[in-house]
Formats: sequence, structure tokens, C-alpha cells
Amino acid sequence: GAGVSQSPSNKVTEKGKDVELRCDPISGHTALYWYRQSLGQGLEFLIYFQGNSAPDKSGLPSDRFSAERTGGSVSTLTIQRTQQEDSAVYLCASSLAQRGGQETQYFGPGTRLLVL
Amino acid sequence: AQSVSQHNHHVILSEAASLELGCNYSYGGTVNLFWYVQYPGQHLQLLLKYFSGDPLVKGIKVFEAEFIKSKFSFNLRKPSVQWSDTAEYFCAVNKKSGYSTLTFGKGTMLLVSP
Repeated sequence: GAGVSQSPSNKVTEKGKDVELRCDPISGHTALYWYRQSLGQGLEFLIYFQGNSAPDKSGLPSDRFSAERTGGSVSTLTIQRTQQEDSAVYLCASSLAQRGGQETQYFGPGTRLLVL
Repeated sequence: AQSVSQHNHHVILSEAASLELGCNYSYGGTVNLFWYVQYPGQHLQLLLKYFSGDPLVKGIKVFEAEFIKSKFSFNLRKPSVQWSDTAEYFCAVNKKSGYSTLTFGKGTMLLVSP
């Protein structure tokens, strides 16, 4: 079946511009995650959506970052007034969330963002 | 908050050499443990996981990992690596309470030379 998809694959923008990154999770998955992967820094958690609950935004690095998930499916990560340090690969993952964390997250291919 | 430490950022091995990648976590409660792998040009994917039971877990492609609770470790091993194992390997942990997100280590880049 179809996996997690993300668009665009690559995005080049100028400092100060806003960008929107899209994630289509696996159909039926209740949980959706956004991570940021910077060179040599591993994966940094950004935000987590679980069903109809309020999202866990504890990983967002600043108020320039926001995300929404419409209809329990597609999610959009928005970065306002981009800065050069926002350059990274943004990864989306989805899962059938389980209490106790015993779940497998399935990752998309990522969006590579370059801020000039 | 939990954290994950991977000791080696880069590892270079020849084919048929044995592999052990170190992973230590810090968290006072009970956890689930994971190894994810990212092959060149591919998505991040699950290699193996530990939830409970036998602390020695086996994953795809003859990889295994051992959970040693007293050492807060979950090291990844393979007895004989192949060129196709060249990839970046990430250790991750989450809590067993409620719904919990993954905390990843910084990754280890493995290069296997033929």
C-alpha cells in the first residue's frame, strides 16, 4: 500500500519568506509526527498529532513554526519568516498510535529545505 | 526528559567484519527501544524494536540488539556486515506511559567497503 508522502521534495527559499510543507500519512493512521533532521544532529521532534486530541507542540523551536492537521489526515507544517538556521530535512511520520508507545512509526521521504 | 547517546558518529568496516554500534539512553522509567536505519536515498525505516520479554531481539537482515537494563544500553550488532549495510543508523526511545513520541540519537554513519 501507499506509504507516507511529503511535498515538495525540495524547497529553496529566501530568508524572510514563509514556507508550507505537506504530509500525507498512511490511511487510517491516527498519529502523525513532524521531525527535523539537521546535519550531524539526528532527528529533532517538532510536533505530534494524535486523533482528536490537542497536538503536542513541545518540540517547536519558535513561534515561527506551526502545524495543522485537517480532517485527521493531511498535515501542513508552516515556517514563517524563514531563517538560514531553518535549513534542514523535515520528516513526517505516521503510526497507529498505541498507549504505552508500542508502535512503529513509518517515515516519509522528507522535504529538504534550503533557506538562502 | 529522556535522551539518547550514540557513541560513534562514523564507523568504517570491511565486508565480513563484525559490527557493534553503541546506544545508551537516560530515563528513569520503563521504555521501549528502537533502531531505525536510513539507506542512501531511502526513507528511514524500522530495523528492530524492543518492548518487553527476551532482551535479545532480532531484526531484519541478521541484525540483533540486546537490551541491558542495568547499563541503560541497547547496542546493535551484526556478526558479518555486507556492503549493502552502508547506511545511517539511529537509536530511539520512548516512554511506556500514555502516548509518547520518539527521542532519537544523533545517528551513526556506517560505511562498509567491499
